[in-house]
Parts: sequence; structure tokens; C-alpha cells
Amino acid sequence: LAKTTQPISMDSYEGQEVNITCSHNNIATNDYITWYQQFPSQGPRFIIQGYKTKVTNEVASLFIPADRKSSTLSLPRVSLSDTAVYYCLLHSGAGSYQLTFGKGTKLSVIP
Amino acid sequence: GAVVSQHPSRVICKSGTSVKIECRSLDFQATTMFWYRQFPKQSLMLMATSNEGSKATYEQGVEKDKFLINHASLTLSTLTVTSAHPEDSSFYICSARDPQANTGELFFGEGSRLTVL
Repeated sequence: LAKTTQPISMDSYEGQEVNITCSHNNIATNDYITWYQQFPSQGPRFIIQGYKTKVTNEVASLFIPADRKSSTLSLPRVSLSDTAVYYCLLHSGAGSYQLTFGKGTKLSVIP
Repeated sequence: GAVVSQHPSRVICKSGTSVKIECRSLDFQATTMFWYRQFPKQSLMLMATSNEGSKATYEQGVEKDKFLINHASLTLSTLTVTSAHPEDSSFYICSARDPQANTGELFFGEGSRLTVL
């Protein structure tokens, strides 16, 4: 599976927009980009998934440039409860849904 | 959305004993479930892929005789840590995909924290 690279940590004040960028230079043609959120002592929770361009749901937006070698998770107006680790992962849209987790980005939201 | 539930959420055992962790898909059938292990301040590491009705597939470095996986039904997979030792203390998490869903989203259980004394 292609490797992803994210910043180890980020800090943000409440109410700000947070953008977390993930690099995946070796992404395969059939790979989807998926983001998960994990709070301490809990299992990860799906946030958003995309293949190209932009995807938006009720909690986040995902921006993917044309070359798909990177992606940016955008969290609008973060609150203290958004403090968590965010993982960027790739998975093939067909066959195995096995996910390989990288180190993730520890987001700390400051009051 | 689909729910995956684990039990127990916390377990403490003595060294040398065996511990069973259950993972259930509550509102969908899962032919495949995944077991992860997470040490403090580290990422999730895939241990094995549990296949309903057949043997599990273990990742390199994971001892299949120590981490017994049984996936006897489409809604239940179990992980048994045999002859547990303090170094097996970790957070164990299972996940499954709803085959009826259009996305590749994996649903994760709440996790089970094992402490071996």
C-alpha cells in the first residue's frame, strides 16, 4: 500500500479553520483517500473519503488536486472537542479494505 | 450508521492466563473483520484479517498461536490472547466493513484495553 506522510502535530485556536495536508506521492490509480479521527482510548471514526477534486460532508471537506499526490482535510471552525489524532489513509476501491495506518496528525485545539 | 461493538472494554489479567475479546457487527454481516493493536502514543498496527468460516490471515511478526482468531459467524469475531504477558498489554481494536455500503468506510469497535499484570 502506498505510504502517506502527515505533520506529526498541529495546534489551533477554537473557531479557526484547520487544514491538515497529507502527501501520498505514490498513490495508485484505484486508491481512494480516506481520513479517520481517533480520540484517546477509542476506535477510529470515519470522517471523509474522496477520489478527486473536492468532497464535503457535514463535518469536513477534502480537497484533492488533479495529480492526487496530496490531499487536504479541512475542518471548519474547530472546537475543543475536535482535539484528536487524524489519520490519512489510502485504500483500493476494489477487493481488500485492509487499512494501513500511518502516524497521524495530533490536532490540539486551544481555547 | 453501522456499528461495531467490542467486549470487554477493559480487562486486567494475570500473566500466563488467556483473555478473549469479542467483536460484533450489530446491524450488518461482516465476512471480514480486522484486528489492530495500538500501544500508547503510537498508531494502529494491523495484526490480522479475520475471515468468516476460514483461517485468519496474520501480518508478519504476529504469532498466530498466541493471538487466536475465530470468526465463526458473520457477526462475531473473537481474539484470544493466550498465555498473556505484560508486553501484550495494549489497546486492541477491531473493525469491519458493511458490504451493503457504497463506500470503503471501515467501522471500528470501541477498543479493548488489556492490562497484563
